[in-house]
Amino acid sequence: QQQVKQSPQSLIVQKGGISIINCAYENTAFDYFPWYQQFPGKGPALLIAIRPDVSEKKEGRFTISFNKSAKQFSLHIMDSQPGDSATYFCAATITGNQFYFGTGTSLTVIP
Amino acid sequence: DTAVSQTPKYLVTQMGNDKSIKCEQNLGHDTMYWYKQDSKKFLKIMFSYNNKELIINETVPNRFSPKSPDKAHLNLHINSLELGDSAVYFCASSQSPDQPQHFGDGTRLSIL
Repeated sequence: QQQVKQSPQSLIVQKGGISIINCAYENTAFDYFPWYQQFPGKGPALLIAIRPDVSEKKEGRFTISFNKSAKQFSLHIMDSQPGDSATYFCAATITGNQFYFGTGTSLTVIP
Repeated sequence: DTAVSQTPKYLVTQMGNDKSIKCEQNLGHDTMYWYKQDSKKFLKIMFSYNNKELIINETVPNRFSPKSPDKAHLNLHINSLELGDSAVYFCASSQSPDQPQHFGDGTRLSIL
């Protein structure tokens, strides 16, 4: 049973555009929601994370939007660049427990 | 300084063989993990150790056996390798089970 559902599976965006990746969860006990970025040949690396007490967190061009009532959160990449081309994973956890990862989104930014 | 290092980076072997993958972290973390990533990029947790004790053991064939000699090391031994074991295996560590994980660069296992 997939605890965190991620969409789309793949995404192609023009340089300068906005990339949006969505995740949904069912377990309302989840209290930490990180996003990981993975480049080919590398392991996933923490990109940005949010807790449910805020609705938005921004770090540079990356923003997490969190909708607690809808049990959804999304990653927005503004002014997408070819260097952002990677696989992105959302995840969720309950404090003290294991992480549950989404199925990943392969992002390609076209120059 | 590599925070989480795995060896080897590539492993090509024949069906039926036994192989090991080593992992070391120099972050002083208490929790270590093994993940399997298949060709579709799905990340599936296999094992998690906290302070050398097994805390997560997902449905994994008992041909896979993790060993944690100390907090900084978590090795993965695989017996009787099968074609379906071909994947990239990632080691990761975190300060505690609910803290962000730091991943190694993976070991690509190919079974001939």
